[in-house]
Amino acid sequence: EAGVVQSPRYKIIEKKQPVAFWCNPISGHNTLYWYRQNLGQGPELLIRYENEEAVDDSQLPKDRFSAERLKGVDSTLKIQPAELGDSAVYLCASSTRRGAAGNIQYFGAGTRLSVL
Amino acid sequence: DAKTTQPPSMDCAEGRAANLPCNHSTISGNEYVYWYRQIHSQGPQYIIHGLKNNETNEMASLIITEDRKSSTLILPHATLRDTAVYYCIVRENRDDKIIFGKGTRLHILP
Repeated sequence: EAGVVQSPRYKIIEKKQPVAFWCNPISGHNTLYWYRQNLGQGPELLIRYENEEAVDDSQLPKDRFSAERLKGVDSTLKIQPAELGDSAVYLCASSTRRGAAGNIQYFGAGTRLSVL
Repeated sequence: DAKTTQPPSMDCAEGRAANLPCNHSTISGNEYVYWYRQIHSQGPQYIIHGLKNNETNEMASLIITEDRKSSTLILPHATLRDTAVYYCIVRENRDDKIIFGKGTRLHILP
């Protein structure tokens, strides 16, 4: 079974440029999460989707960040314009939320963003 | 804020058992103890979770004290590939959010 797939793995951009990250969750997982991980810290939740609906986006900086999950499968996280402080690893995770293993989140390898 | 306290780093000799402690003195009756680990340049990986009883799977064992205020993750025969940051997390099973702390950086020494 394929895991959570993220692309690109690395991205280097100049400040004020736009950037987008893509995530393909595990097949059948209806819940999708985007996290941001700063250097030396644990991941922090940005947004959670149940199918196509964003049900928790309270930590998403809405002035420059946006996300979408069309058709309830793949998701894209966008930053426009990027700032120096956005340099971090952006992680995507998915879960089924069903059964005994329903609340285990499976993470992708992440996208490491460097804003210069 | 994370509800757990972990040592920032630990060393363990290869082939020995690695015992990672976690304090969660404010844990409530509905909250489970979860462990994840993050190997360098990878995303976090689920290891094990438990409520009251000790648990064991192919990766590790989880020992929870009777008062549930602390727990220990045991890697029975540590290898170099177990070098990672280990996160102890307390959450209700219905919670969707995982609140990560800084974890314990485990170094396996050859």
